[in-house]
Amino acid sequence: DTEVTQTPKHLVMGMTNKKSLKCEQHMGHRAMYWYKQKAKKPPELMFVYSYEKLSINESVPSRFSPECPNSSLLNLHLHALQPEDSALYLCASSQVLEGTGNTIYFGEGSWLTVV
Amino acid sequence: KQEVTQIPAALSVPEGENLVLNCSFTDSAIYNLQWFRQDPGKGLTSLLLIQSSQREQTSGRLNASLDKSSGRSTLYIAASQPGDSATYLCAVRTPGGNKLVFGAGTILRVKS
Repeated sequence: DTEVTQTPKHLVMGMTNKKSLKCEQHMGHRAMYWYKQKAKKPPELMFVYSYEKLSINESVPSRFSPECPNSSLLNLHLHALQPEDSALYLCASSQVLEGTGNTIYFGEGSWLTVV
Repeated sequence: KQEVTQIPAALSVPEGENLVLNCSFTDSAIYNLQWFRQDPGKGLTSLLLIQSSQREQTSGRLNASLDKSSGRSTLYIAASQPGDSATYLCAVRTPGGNKLVFGAGTILRVKS
């Protein structure tokens, strides 16, 4: 099973709303990632968690707040977003953060529209 | 700063053709290189991972090669099928920040 599950698949939110994106994997992976992808562009790294601790924050605005409650779950809390934040948000995981043989597995993504 | 380039940006071929997608990177200090497939509006599916010490990997009709010293990788697709139509992305994993740096992708269309 190489599955990363993301919910919801689609989300429409107003600029004053608070919502969350959720990600789950049961592969025993200890590194989890959030990426943002705009149309016709490659994914851009936002956050990396390693052993449930935040390892990388790519200078993401504070209106995006990640959380890793346990080794299987990763959340992205959204608050006061802007229309330009509309994008496909991808969650990914890998066995560990370091190492040369680390395949990264992606979920199907959550389509976010900010109105 | 690592930069990844994919050529061509788009490719249209008739069914049954063998084809090659190219990926180049500027810094040869990589952990590995991974090829992904992305269907419209979907997530990324991992196709092949080549570790920095390896030269190639094969999976079914796919073969990926890596020449780290020259900063190049190719993805060879044999006997292409309409179901192969998708965007193909290569990404290198860099040490230090442990980031995955993506190319812009090649949009492949296989015509029946």
